Amino acid sequence: GQQLNQSPQSMFIQEGEDVSMNCTSSSIFNTWLWYKQDPGEGPVLLIALYKAGELTSNGRLTAQFGITRKDSFLNISASIPSDVGIYFCAGPTSSNTGKLIFGQGTTLQVKP
Amino acid sequence: KAGVTQTPRYLIKTRGQQVTLSCSPISGHRSVSWYQQTPGQGLQFLFEYFSETQRNKGNFPGRFSGRQFSNSRSEMNVSTLELGDSALYLCASSLVTGSTEAFFGQGTRLTVV
Repeated sequence: GQQLNQSPQSMFIQEGEDVSMNCTSSSIFNTWLWYKQDPGEGPVLLIALYKAGELTSNGRLTAQFGITRKDSFLNISASIPSDVGIYFCAGPTSSNTGKLIFGQGTTLQVKP
Repeated sequence: KAGVTQTPRYLIKTRGQQVTLSCSPISGHRSVSWYQQTPGQGLQFLFEYFSETQRNKGNFPGRFSGRQFSNSRSEMNVSTLELGDSALYLCASSLVTGSTEAFFGQGTRLTVV
């Protein structure tokens, strides 16, 4: 079945550093979503991407929809302590469905 | 505008019991999806409801069921609880079915002992 592979699994960085993570799939996706989850909370939608090659920003976050439609990237610039959390990529299993599959997540820790 | 509300936040149940979890979507949203999150399996889709009809179902046993009411509120039920059902159950609401912009509630933490 469809799977999303995220890397890296975890990152421990210094405050102020830039962060990059990615998500790959063996199948094509028409939409890529990036979520962040804080401990004890539900995931929060950060960025949604709908077109191959699309580059979208949300503050210090930038995400790209890969040209092959089989990958996506999330960058965080100038990290701050509140960036700590788990970042998930997700995509719909087919069109006209709300069924999402999620990557395993990238855990980000930021050292002040 | 209120977000997605899930109740209760925490629940402890004994093996063999059943449990009902509730989700109130964002006002105006008509699609509700449920997910199970565990450390081992991550986030897994349970089912999706739109206009009181189940539109999609994940690979979970029949002990997991749900329903949606005319006001779009949804409940999920797990019968004959097993230890492995301990998880964070998350509800997500979307404007319509097929909308990929899903907004999650804080979840219900279920512990089965």
